Amino acid sequence: DAKTTQPTSMDCAEGRAANLPCNHSTISGNEYVYWYRQIHSQGPQYIIHGLKNNETNEMASLIITEDRKSSTLILPHATLRDTAVYYCIVRVNQGGKLIFGQGTELSVKP
Amino acid sequence: DVKVTQSSRYLVKRTGEKVFLECVQDMDHENMFWYRQDPGLGLRLIYFSYDVKMKEKGDIPEGYSVSREKKERFSLILESASTNQTSMYLCASSLKASGRNEQYFGPGTRLTVT
Repeated sequence: DAKTTQPTSMDCAEGRAANLPCNHSTISGNEYVYWYRQIHSQGPQYIIHGLKNNETNEMASLIITEDRKSSTLILPHATLRDTAVYYCIVRVNQGGKLIFGQGTELSVKP
Repeated sequence: DVKVTQSSRYLVKRTGEKVFLECVQDMDHENMFWYRQDPGLGLRLIYFSYDVKMKEKGDIPEGYSVSREKKERFSLILESASTNQTSMYLCASSLKASGRNEQYFGPGTRLTVT
């Protein structure tokens, strides 16, 4: 599995967009980019995933660079409830195990 | 909504005790997983199962065993609990047919071994 690199922590003002970067320079052609988040004292929660094209759902947008070596998760209007650790994971689509790194601790401040 | 439930949110056991952590999912998922989460180490996979009565070792299976007698239930067993097994334990499930890595997690069980 390709390795991912994320900043350890980030701050964001409430109501502003939160842009969380992830580097995955060794990603292979059949690997997807997945994002999960973990709010304190809860289990991780799936957010979004993509292969090449940008993706959007009710929670977030995922922007993947053309060379696929990096991506950005965008929370368009961050709220205090978005304060969590965000994990970027690169994996082939096979319904198998996930490897969680250290993630980015996002703090949304009033 | 997919629901993954774990038998206890908090558990305190003594060294040497046999401990059972139960996980139940209600969405007919084939895949089930057990992770532990420790500060600075992230989530680490202990065991997983792709079908009833099937199990595979994850990255840190030592000191643990699992049981999957029914599709909806996946049990993690600590045969003889030790203090280094004090941790947050998380269960997850996912659909096999979709081939996706969208896992649904339970709320976790915080186990303390004294």
